[in-house]
Amino acid sequence: AQKITQTQPGMFVQEKEAVTLDCTYDTSDPSYGLFWYKQPSSGEMIFLIYQGSYDQQNATEGRYSLNFQKARKSANLVISASQLGDSAMYFCAMREGGTSYDKVIFGPGTSLSVIP
Amino acid sequence: KAGVTQTPRYLIKTRGQQVTLSCSPISGHRSVSWYQQTPGQGLQFLFEYFSETQRNKGNFPGRFSGRQFSNSRSEMNVSTLELGDSALYLCASSATSGRVNTGELFFGEGSRLTVL
Repeated sequence: AQKITQTQPGMFVQEKEAVTLDCTYDTSDPSYGLFWYKQPSSGEMIFLIYQGSYDQQNATEGRYSLNFQKARKSANLVISASQLGDSAMYFCAMREGGTSYDKVIFGPGTSLSVIP
Repeated sequence: KAGVTQTPRYLIKTRGQQVTLSCSPISGHRSVSWYQQTPGQGLQFLFEYFSETQRNKGNFPGRFSGRQFSNSRSEMNVSTLELGDSALYLCASSATSGRVNTGELFFGEGSRLTVL
């Protein structure tokens, strides 16, 4: 069963506008972590932001914020003031497990294109 | 602090051959994970190693194997290569607190394998 869903295969946003990339997840583990990564055309995976399941506040990192709605199992990424360099694939990911193993599962990704 | 280093960056093999990919994690990181990325299947978890032990394995055939050395460096091997094994193979390392992985995955630049 797919555990990470990203329903937007591709998105366009005007430069300087804000954009929200959707992510829903499924887990029965009460302790988990959620990540967003950016992958430009060069292929490197760049960490953007992290949210732990017990974190009370939504995570923020510069222009990135994570809209964490635990009851809805939703972890949307909000990018404010989009820049041309934000054009890339964006992956939502979830870490499950505790001391016995570590597994991070990635969603299918959303391709974001920023239009000048 | 040096990042995650993967070698080789690019390689071309023919069907039936085998290949070994290497990954050196960030100094001090004891957990190493491997991922396969293809256009059709996205990012798929291969396996995760901690202190020379495989803690978890993804849904891949036995042709895919790996190991971790005492210095945390890891190798993965694919035997009897098939055309479908053409992919970007990404290695990632994580910091740990005890046996629990914490924080984000730090990725290498990947090894791009082409099978002809």
